[in-house]
Amino acid sequence: SQKIEQNSEALNIQEGKTATLTCNYTNYSPAYLQWYRQDPGRGPVFLLLIRENEKEKRKERLKVTFDTTLKQSLFHITASQPADSATYLCALTSGGSYIPTFGRGTSLIVHP
Amino acid sequence: DTGVSQNPRHKITKRGQNVTFRCDPISEHNRLYWYRQTLGQGPEFLTYFQNEAQLEKSRLLSDRFSAERPKGSFSTLEIQRTEQGDSAMYLCASSLALGRSYEQYFGPGTRLTVT
Repeated sequence: SQKIEQNSEALNIQEGKTATLTCNYTNYSPAYLQWYRQDPGRGPVFLLLIRENEKEKRKERLKVTFDTTLKQSLFHITASQPADSATYLCALTSGGSYIPTFGRGTSLIVHP
Repeated sequence: DTGVSQNPRHKITKRGQNVTFRCDPISEHNRLYWYRQTLGQGPEFLTYFQNEAQLEKSRLLSDRFSAERPKGSFSTLEIQRTEQGDSAMYLCASSLALGRSYEQYFGPGTRLTVT
């Protein structure tokens, strides 16, 4: 069955360091992959989208990579700040669909 | 504020009662989605509209759940005969059907507690 795996353990890092979050998937051929940020008690907020034929996407301090051979996406936040503390969700969508399947998310905690 | 809005933000109901939630999407967005999210999990797809047409429903969606989008604008999600297992955050999202636009804009959610 299709499976999306995000580390269920929280990632704790020091302010200023680069945070790297992982999204692995199996039995899936996504056309594109998205990353969302979710704060407690609020809806997810779209951050970045990367397509299957793209290797890397950047936006300000954010970088996403997408390796369809390894079936993995990495999400990087450089120069992390305490305000980056949140849960980060990856979401995969198959070609021809508009319905993403979300992972369970990974909590990031940036310590001052 | 021109974002997605949802009402109510919180709802406490007794088991067996019916509840209805409302979602107002971003005005120019013609796609609207409903999701359910429980603690520690990602959003789980329930149903999807393009304009007023309900195009897809999750196989997991019980027949106690029904959604409408009567004029292609706001949408309602009704749960009949609520059960304790229905307790969750219900999220609405909208997106623009333009080219290959896939990013979704979420509302703040309605938290349902069934006692």
